[in-house]
Order: sequence, then structure tokens, then C-alpha cells
Amino acid sequence: AQSVTQLDSQVPVFEEAPVELRCNYSSSVSVYLFWYVQYPNQGLQLLLKYLSGSTLVKGINGFEAEFNKSQTSFHLRKPSVHISDTAEYFCAVSSPSGGSYIPTFGRGTSLIVHP
Amino acid sequence: EPEVTQTPSHQVTQMGQEVILRCVPISNHLYFYWYRQILGQKVEFLVSFYNNEISEKSEIFDDQFSVERPDGSNFTLKIRSTKLEDSAMYFCASSEQDGSWYEQYFGPGTRLTVT
Repeated sequence: AQSVTQLDSQVPVFEEAPVELRCNYSSSVSVYLFWYVQYPNQGLQLLLKYLSGSTLVKGINGFEAEFNKSQTSFHLRKPSVHISDTAEYFCAVSSPSGGSYIPTFGRGTSLIVHP
Repeated sequence: EPEVTQTPSHQVTQMGQEVILRCVPISNHLYFYWYRQILGQKVEFLVSFYNNEISEKSEIFDDQFSVERPDGSNFTLKIRSTKLEDSAMYFCASSEQDGSWYEQYFGPGTRLTVT
């Protein structure tokens, strides 16, 4: 079975500061990893994904994430945040080699950007 | 840009009542999904649907739940006799292909409150 842990339920940060949202996963097989963002009153939107290849993945809105297999982590980073980045962020893992594409999500991290 | 829509945005119902949550997936998508998120907890997969059949379901999706595509545009989730623990945000999603499930497009969700 696979699982995802998002270590921080809430991350407050000032505008233009860097941010890191942490995600750790557990799985006994190879994984696909994802970050989704949910803006207020909207659905989840895919930010970026890791399927294979380069462990540094770049996504939309200036976000990037690094897959670290030895630490089973997939932390999301942005060097300089904007007020508009205030949203809920979800990490997810899928293990197709385990027989299913269905993702397991974390509980979400609320990013709050202050002016 | 095409989007998944869900109605209503908020549904309040009494325990034991039936509810139907409605979703309009993106028109050329073939795969449909329901997820739920109980307040403060993880986003959980409920069911996937393709070619007028359930293709996968989770343990949560018991006999109280059913899904239907009654016409060419709507995709519904029915809960026959609601329980207090069914209170959650319910997300609908759709994708073009099963293999690219990670490119699911999510709706904004329906908040179900069971009293």
C-alpha cells in the first residue's frame, strides 16, 4: 500500500520570500508523484508531475519539485511567492506497477502568503 | 478553457435522506471519477467510471453509493441513505484517457453537510 504525508498543515510566508512545502511518501514499488493546487472555490489543478527521468521537475507558476528516492520525498519549492499563490496544495502518489493508476493524496498544506 | 462543473456547491441534508450530486465533465473526456475530502483529512478516491461501467472503486464506495451517467453530459453520485460521516467535500474529475489519469480535471466540489 502507498501513503503520503504532508508534514505541514499550514505554511505562512511573506510575499517574495522562498517557500518549501514538504511531502513524503511510502510505497514498495516505483511511483509517480504529483502536486496539485486548489485555489479558493475552485477544483484541484495539476501543478507538476514526476513520472521518470530528471528528478528536478518544473511546473506552472514558477513552482518546482525534486524527487529524492533515498529520502522518499517530493518537496515543492518556489523561490519567490506572490499573494496569488495563497491556496491549498496537495501531494499525491500513484503506483501503476502496483496495478492501479488511482492516486493517494496527502491531507494538503495551506500556503498563506502575507503582504 | 473547458472545465468540470458541479452542482450544487453546497448541499445540506438530513440523516437518512438520499442525495444526488451532479457533475458535468469536459465534453470529450471518457473517464470520470469521484473523490471526497472529509474536513481536515485526505482527499480519498471513491470510484472511477468508463464506458458506462465502474472500472475501479475503493472500500469507501459501498452499497450506499452509486454512480450514473444518465445522459451524454451529466455524471452523478447518489448516496441512498446519508449518514453523518458522509459530510465532506465531494470532487468530480474527468480525463481523456485512463493512462493519463494524472491529467484529470477536477471540478470545484460540492460540500455535503449531513445533519
